[in-house]
Amino acid sequence: NAGVTQTPKFQVLKTGQSMTLQCAQDMNHNSMYWYRQDPGMGLRLIYYSASEGTTDKGEVPNGYNVSRLNKREFSLRLESAAPSQTSVYFCASTFELGDTEAFFGQGTRLTVV
Amino acid sequence: DAKTTQPTSMDCAEGRAANLPCNHSTISGNEYVYWYRQIHSQGPQYIIHGLKNNETNEMASLIITEDRKSSTLILPHATLRDTAVYYCIVRVGGANSGYALNFGKGTSLLVTP
Repeated sequence: NAGVTQTPKFQVLKTGQSMTLQCAQDMNHNSMYWYRQDPGMGLRLIYYSASEGTTDKGEVPNGYNVSRLNKREFSLRLESAAPSQTSVYFCASTFELGDTEAFFGQGTRLTVV
Repeated sequence: DAKTTQPTSMDCAEGRAANLPCNHSTISGNEYVYWYRQIHSQGPQYIIHGLKNNETNEMASLIITEDRKSSTLILPHATLRDTAVYYCIVRVGGANSGYALNFGKGTSLLVTP
């Protein structure tokens, strides 16, 4: 039972490069989320998807795009990475939007130089 | 969401009970108390939640005061693997709660041998 799986676990990008963070869940959850975690800032919501086929902006969406590929997968894309996007990124899922028992992936540590 | 106040850090000896307090004096009648923890370099993990009755599961117990203005998470026999940051979150449950979890700064618990 894998839960929420994120890839890659670590990534170093140069400023201006693009990349996609992958997330998949095997719990048949409807809702998925992308958060970023910075020192002293807690977790901040970037984008979320209430259900397959829908996505919405969270607190800090600028510089990111998302795709809810199917019910299992929710990807986060950085089109032109900036040093300010250096962070740890967490994907999470819940059975329904707003359910507070959320399941998180192990995180992707991204460094933009 | 109601504001919560937690101590910045706490220590606990291995095998002893760890009691983590949380103050939420502005909690509303329909807001739940949720606890998560984040072990270093991992994603947050749901522990337990409650409305007004005390709750217990395989991980922990949650004691909520009668006036609901504060609560205590109890790890009955702390182990070294319980060293983590513990987050107390107060919010309305379900889809009416919105979509983002506000983790705040939490309490850093160190379990020592």
